[in-house]
Amino acid sequence: DQQVKQNSPSLSVQEGRISILNCDYTNSMFDYFLWYKKYPAEGPTFLISISSIKDKNEDGRFTVFLNKSAKHLSLHIVPSQPGDSAVYFCAASETSGTYKYIFGTGTRLKVLA
Amino acid sequence: GAGVSQSPSNKVTEKGKDVELRCDPISGHTALYWYRQSLGQGLEFLIYFQGNSAPDKSGLPSDRFSAERTGGSVSTLTIQRTQQEDSAVYLCASSLVAGGPPDTQYFGPGTRLTVL
Repeated sequence: DQQVKQNSPSLSVQEGRISILNCDYTNSMFDYFLWYKKYPAEGPTFLISISSIKDKNEDGRFTVFLNKSAKHLSLHIVPSQPGDSAVYFCAASETSGTYKYIFGTGTRLKVLA
Repeated sequence: GAGVSQSPSNKVTEKGKDVELRCDPISGHTALYWYRQSLGQGLEFLIYFQGNSAPDKSGLPSDRFSAERTGGSVSTLTIQRTQQEDSAVYLCASSLVAGGPPDTQYFGPGTRLTVL
């Protein structure tokens, strides 16, 4: 039972355009969400997070949107750069003392120069 | 400063052999996690250590898997009698403290295990 789903395994975007990566979850107890970026042969690195008390969090070119009623979050990258090409994982957690992140299967983003 | 390190970076073994994977967390981080990523899958939680508390082993897929953390720092994940389905990238992460609001987990580069 996949509690966190990234239904698009890959995405190609032209440099300078917007990249939108999507993530859906099923567990209504999740109230903290994160995005990680992973380059080949490296571990995932933290990118941005959002608590369920917000519906948007922005950090430079990266913005995460959360729609709690739809159990959906998305990561927007504007403008996309070739260095953004990587696999992006969304993860979800409960803040009620639990430490486990439940990860999605990842979306491979390719930004074309 | 130094990040999370893991060794070896690659391990090829024969079915039935035992393997040990090592993780050195970031100094001062009290929480340590092991995950694995099988081909086409997300990161799967395996085990979690927090300070001197009993580890949460709920994610270990079978009793062939075990892990220990010595002195609250280095951790070793052991897989006994390896099977081909154990082939995956094994990732270790550490965080400053766990419990309460989730704090950022910092990942190592992983160990790619191939069981022939």
